[in-house]
Amino acid sequence: NAGVTQTPKFRILKIGQSMTLQCTQDMNHNYMYWYRQDPGMGLKLIYYSVGAGITDKGEVPNGYNVSRSTTEDFPLRLELAAPSQTSVYFCASNYGGNTEAFFGQGTRLTVV
Amino acid sequence: DAKTTQPPSMDCAEGRAANLPCNHSTISGNEYVYWYRQIHSQGPQYIIHGLKNNETNEMASLIITEDRKSSTLILPHATLRDTAVYYCIATPYGNNRLAFGKGNQVVVIP
Repeated sequence: NAGVTQTPKFRILKIGQSMTLQCTQDMNHNYMYWYRQDPGMGLKLIYYSVGAGITDKGEVPNGYNVSRSTTEDFPLRLELAAPSQTSVYFCASNYGGNTEAFFGQGTRLTVV
Repeated sequence: DAKTTQPPSMDCAEGRAANLPCNHSTISGNEYVYWYRQIHSQGPQYIIHGLKNNETNEMASLIITEDRKSSTLILPHATLRDTAVYYCIATPYGNNRLAFGKGNQVVVIP
């Protein structure tokens, strides 16, 4: 049972480059989320999705884009990487309501 | 979401019960209390949640005061693997956007 899988685990980007962080889940969850975590801080919500074709902004969406074409996948796109986007990114999913959320192992991104 | 307050850090003795406090004095009637933990920068892991009754599962027990203004997460027999940052979150039913604060860095000491 894979759960929530994120790729890559680590990445170094140069300022201005673009990349996509991949997230896939095999639990048939409707809800998926992207969080970022800066050193010593809690997680902040970037974007979330309540089902295929539906996405919405979280607390810190600027500089990011998402899409949800399938139930399983929820990629996060960085168009013009900036040093402020250096962080650890976590993807999560759940059935919604007050059900437990399952998190991936994170993608550690450094922008130089 | 109601603001929650946790100590920034605490130590617990291995093999003893660990009692992790959380204050949520402004919690409203439809807000649940959730606990997650994050071990060494891994993805957070769900522990337990409750509304007003005490809850227990294989990982922990959650004790919520009668006025719901505070709660305690109890790890019955702390092990070294329980060393983690523990997050207490109060959020309404159906609000899937969990708001994580800085949490409580719990260190289990041999």
